Amino acid sequence: GAGVSQSPRYKVAKRGRDVALRCDSISGHVTLYWYRQTLGQGSEVLTYSQSDAQRDKSGRPSGRFSAERPERSVSTLKIQRTEQGDSAVYLCASSLGGGTAYEQYFGPGTRLTVT
Amino acid sequence: RKEVEQDPGPFNVPEGATVAFNCTYSNSASQSFFWYRQDCRKEPKLLMSVYSSGNEDGRFTAQLNRASQYISLLIRDSKLSDSATYLCVVNRPRSNDYKLSFGAGTTVTVRA
Repeated sequence: GAGVSQSPRYKVAKRGRDVALRCDSISGHVTLYWYRQTLGQGSEVLTYSQSDAQRDKSGRPSGRFSAERPERSVSTLKIQRTEQGDSAVYLCASSLGGGTAYEQYFGPGTRLTVT
Repeated sequence: RKEVEQDPGPFNVPEGATVAFNCTYSNSASQSFFWYRQDCRKEPKLLMSVYSSGNEDGRFTAQLNRASQYISLLIRDSKLSDSATYLCVVNRPRSNDYKLSFGAGTTVTVRA
């Protein structure tokens, strides 16, 4: 069946510009996460949302990252005023429920390069 | 200190060999542990959860050592298709917070 998809797969942005990354999660999944994966450093969670919350609870103190959920199975991660340190792979994951008993299914990621 | 640390490898092993590696986690309150597999430029996929008593899934065995705060993965009779990056994943223990922390991954290459 259809898994988690993300678009675009690759994005190049000039420093200072805003970017928006899209995630289409699995139908019926309630919880949606955004992670940032950096080569050699692992991944950190950026935001997550449960149920139909349109505004995500930010897991990251920086106000430059935010996520919206215009539809139950769609989330958009917005990064304002991009910095070169934002270059990374951004992974979206969704799960049936909000606990670790529920497997998180990941999308293929969006590779963002900030120049 | 990173929340999850792994030996990046690479571990280069011949087909049929056994390979094992560990990861350490910093938060003693973590309660859920996983191994994910990630192929090059692909999404991470759950390989197996790690239980306190240790668990086995075919050729894969995972162990948890809470006292020393590490988990391990052992792959027996390795296949070419086992070549991948293995991510150690630990939950971040806060109420109503099911976010995961990932290690940077251990690369395993199985050669014919």
